[in-house]
Amino acid sequence: AQSVAQPEDQVNVAEGNPLTVKCTYSVSGNPYLFWYVQYPNRGLQFLLKYITGDNLVKGSYGFEAEFNKSQTSFHLKKPSALVSDSALYFCAVRSHTGRRALTFGSGTRLQVQP
Amino acid sequence: GAGVSQSPSNKVTEKGKDVELRCDPISGHTALYWYRQSLGQGLEFLIYFQGNSAPDKSGLPSDRFSAERTGGSVSTLTIQRTQQEDSAVYLCASSSQTVSNQPQHFGDGTRLSIL
Repeated sequence: AQSVAQPEDQVNVAEGNPLTVKCTYSVSGNPYLFWYVQYPNRGLQFLLKYITGDNLVKGSYGFEAEFNKSQTSFHLKKPSALVSDSALYFCAVRSHTGRRALTFGSGTRLQVQP
Repeated sequence: GAGVSQSPSNKVTEKGKDVELRCDPISGHTALYWYRQSLGQGLEFLIYFQGNSAPDKSGLPSDRFSAERTGGSVSTLTIQRTQQEDSAVYLCASSSQTVSNQPQHFGDGTRLSIL
């Protein structure tokens, strides 16, 4: 069975400061890892993915994520937060084999204060 | 349009009625997924279609739930004899399976409310 943990329900950060949204995962074999963002009354919007190779993945809107195999983590980061980054963020995983559907974390609400 | 389209955007119905939710995936995407998003359960996988293969129905919560995908494109999720616990946002996603690690692209969902 695969699972994702997002230990923080909410993260608060001041505009211009760096942000980190944490994610750890459990999966059999090698993972595909994804981050999505959800704005109110909208679907999930893809930010970035880790497939293989470089542990630092760069995505949309200046976001990046660092894959750490030993810690089974895939934390989302951004060097300088914007108020417009305030949204709900989901980490997701699936294995290279087996079910194609994603398993999502419970989500982390990011609040960026001006 | 360029994205995944879902209709209706909102649906309110009485307990016991049947409902149909529609998803129109991105053109050319062979994989289609249904998920349910609710406050108590987060994002749950329901069903997955890939081309002409038999669908993966392992996430359907009960036999009141069923889905079809006609002609490898549009999909309909049907919930029979709705219950209040079916109230949720139903999200559809599609992806290109030319390479298996492609991201899923989501529609804006159907917000279902059971009175």
